Amino acid sequence: EPEVTQTPSHQVTQMGQEVILRCVPISNHLYFYWYRQILGQKVEFLVSFYNNEISEKSEIFDDQFSVERPDGSNFTLKIRSTKLEDSAMYFCASSQRSGTEAFFGQGTRLTVV
Amino acid sequence: DQQVKQNSPSLSVQEGRISILNCDYTNSMFDYFLWYKKYPAEGPTFLISISSIKDKNEDGRFTVFLNKSAKHLSLHIVPSQPGDSAVYFCAASGAGNNDMRFGAGTRLTVKP
Repeated sequence: EPEVTQTPSHQVTQMGQEVILRCVPISNHLYFYWYRQILGQKVEFLVSFYNNEISEKSEIFDDQFSVERPDGSNFTLKIRSTKLEDSAMYFCASSQRSGTEAFFGQGTRLTVV
Repeated sequence: DQQVKQNSPSLSVQEGRISILNCDYTNSMFDYFLWYKKYPAEGPTFLISISSIKDKNEDGRFTVFLNKSAKHLSLHIVPSQPGDSAVYFCAASGAGNNDMRFGAGTRLTVKP
């Protein structure tokens, strides 16, 4: 069964460093998303991406964040200068159509120290 | 962002009984609602969805009910099984929007 894959599964980084989280969405999906879940809190929307551009973003997705689809398969989330409060599970998701069920990857646990 | 609310952080039921998970929303622009199940250290897994043109959708042991006037939806699991123990998230999306808003989740424990 097709699935969304994320790498790495766990990333530890120093505060102020840049990190890139990688995702391979399901191949025939057109809409891509990043969500995050801070430990013990709700799953929060960060950004959606369609047709090679951001279609929506939340207030969390500030100038420190960027997304890219550098080739036909990868979808990346970059955090330019990490802060302690960026520590969370980051989930990538993809869907075939807008606003319908999205399929999630296993997540990347980001720990900023 | 409190557009989707799950007011019960946890629910415990006996195996074989019905589990009812509730969700309320405030944004009347939402027109598509989903339930996700999440195990620890895994991503959310899509369970069932319902469009605002319907008031019920059933898939095996899982049924979602939507009450648009009350801005309320619920997930019924019957009969509940120990393997259903997980955190259940309600999510909603609106007219052409590409984001889903999640509730805080309800931890379901099904006791053998």
